[in-house]
Amino acid sequence: DAKTTQPPSMDCAEGRAANLPCNHSTISGNEYVYWYRQIHSQGPQYIIHGLKNNETNEMASLIITEDRKSSTLILPHATLRDTAVYYCIVRVPTDSWGKLQFGAGTQVVVTP
Amino acid sequence: GAVVSQHPSRVICKSGTSVKIECRSLDFQATTMFWYRQFPKQSLMLMATSNEGSKATYEQGVEKDKFLINHASLTLSTLTVTSAHPEDSSFYICSARDWKASGGKGQETQYFGPGTRLLVL
Repeated sequence: DAKTTQPPSMDCAEGRAANLPCNHSTISGNEYVYWYRQIHSQGPQYIIHGLKNNETNEMASLIITEDRKSSTLILPHATLRDTAVYYCIVRVPTDSWGKLQFGAGTQVVVTP
Repeated sequence: GAVVSQHPSRVICKSGTSVKIECRSLDFQATTMFWYRQFPKQSLMLMATSNEGSKATYEQGVEKDKFLINHASLTLSTLTVTSAHPEDSSFYICSARDWKASGGKGQETQYFGPGTRLLVL
């Protein structure tokens, strides 16, 4: 699986959009970009995933650059409950029986 | 999204005893489940892949005789920490793989349990 690079931490004001970057310059053509988050002392929560088109769901939007070497997770209106560690993972869904390898992620703190 | 449960949510045991942790997919069938371990201020580390009806596959460095995994049904996987020691104290998290065929292609999502906090005294 391709390696990803994320900033270790970022702050965001409540009510504002949070834009979380992820670099994956070695991504291969059949690898998807997945985002999960982990609120303190809880199991990770699936957010969104995509291959090359931008994706949106009720939680967030995923913007993938045309060359697919980077992506941005957008939380449109951050709330205090969005404080969590956000993980960007790239992988082929069917490879390795679906194993997810977690990096260090980005600690997002939403402040009032 | 789908729901995965874990039981117990936390457990305290004496050194040398064994502890069993259950992971259940409540509203979908999961042929594959995964077990992770997370130490304080660290990321999740994959321990093993649990496949229904077959032996688990362990990651390098994980002792299969110490961490026994059983995946007897499509909705239940168990992790037993045998002869637990204080260094086994950790947050254990399972996930279940939900695979759906859609338009001739597969769509996969993994759902995680809430975790089990193990403290070995």
